[in-house]
Amino acid sequence: GAVVSQHPSRVICKSGTSVKIECRSLDFQATTMFWYRQFPKQSLMLMATSNEGSKATYEQGVEKDKFLINHASLTLSTLTVTSAHPEDSSFYICSAPRTDEAFFGQGTRLTVV
Amino acid sequence: GENVEQHPSTLSVQEGDSAVIKCTYSDSASNYFPWYKQELGKRPQLIIDIRSNVGEKKDQRIAVTLNKTAKHFSLHITETQPEDSAVYFCAASTGRRALTFGSGTRLQVQP
Repeated sequence: GAVVSQHPSRVICKSGTSVKIECRSLDFQATTMFWYRQFPKQSLMLMATSNEGSKATYEQGVEKDKFLINHASLTLSTLTVTSAHPEDSSFYICSAPRTDEAFFGQGTRLTVV
Repeated sequence: GENVEQHPSTLSVQEGDSAVIKCTYSDSASNYFPWYKQELGKRPQLIIDIRSNVGEKKDQRIAVTLNKTAKHFSLHITETQPEDSAVYFCAASTGRRALTFGSGTRLQVQP
């Protein structure tokens, strides 16, 4: 199957700083990637859709100025959490579709202290 | 948009018994219904999926059924084993769009 790689897998940052998470499709091109957030014991919730060469589209309630998404190539999308706060602590996971099947990155456990 | 409801939230079965998890969806345009197993801190792992042109699909101990008219689909695991213990999510999508996930079912298989 297709491979999607996400880094870092874990990150701890201080409140007020920014964190960048990378999502790469290793063996296929992805014009679209999705970013999800999962709080403990909850489901995966779509945050935004990353579109190669154009602006991301954000779900209702997700601050686009706080969660910056860049999809500069057909294999890389990045999510930057700016001015992180403890309530941003969560499991962030990307996925890329190939046909209708989704391929997930490993996820990033973000802890803001 | 799509809304997916999943039941039960927790399910405890004895080893060797069957487990059934049910989901309903709201968007009749949805045509792809995957099921995922997620272990703590890991990415969701696709265990089986079904498309809207099929009513049932089976893969060894796992089967999924889809009723398009009623807009519900179910996961059936037979001969459960302790290693089946995990959180299971159903999801729905249309084509290459984002998945909408159910709320999850924590399955515990008691040895």
